[in-house]
Amino acid sequence: KNQVEQSPQSLIILEGKNCTLQCNYTVSPFSNLRWYKQDTGRGPVSLTIMTFSENTKSNGRYTATLDADTKQSSLHITASQLSDSASYICVVSDDSNYQLIWGAGTKLIIKP
Amino acid sequence: EAEVAQSPRYKITEKSQAVAFWCDPISGHATLYWYRQILGQGPELLVQFQDESVVDDSQLPKDRFSAERLKGVDSTLKIQPAELGDSAMYLCASSFWGHDTEAFFGQGTRLTVV
Repeated sequence: KNQVEQSPQSLIILEGKNCTLQCNYTVSPFSNLRWYKQDTGRGPVSLTIMTFSENTKSNGRYTATLDADTKQSSLHITASQLSDSASYICVVSDDSNYQLIWGAGTKLIIKP
Repeated sequence: EAEVAQSPRYKITEKSQAVAFWCDPISGHATLYWYRQILGQGPELLVQFQDESVVDDSQLPKDRFSAERLKGVDSTLKIQPAELGDSAMYLCASSFWGHDTEAFFGQGTRLTVV
């Protein structure tokens, strides 16, 4: 069964610090991998989309990496801000059935 | 900036009652998704439309849930009768064409069944 697993489940860091969130997937074949940010009680917002041939993509302080060989992706947040407190969800596009496979997300809390 | 519009934002209903949610996707987007998200979990796809046609409703509890997108634009998701376990966030998303294009989400409808 195609799966997307994220770690850690939750993370607390101090404002200004960096952090890295992990995503491991078994989806194959896949066409792209996305990271979404979801504030509490709101819909997800796209941060990055990477195709299988891309290794890294940045969006401001957010940098996503992808290793298609090991089926791993990471989202690195630099100089965290209080507004970064949210859930970060990894989503992989499954080309075998044209579906999006969602991870359960990492809940990130930034403390002042 | 174009947005996916959803209403209502919040809904409280008694079990066994009917409830409906509405979604207006970004203009020109052919693909529309309805997701259900339970607190602390990732979104679960309920139904996916391509224009007015259903392309995936394998996870839709069809005994109580129905969805339509009659003119291939806006869409309605209905639950009848509502059960306590239906309490969740219902998210609508749209994309230009299929799963390969970026999906944009609405703010969601928070449903509480009492």
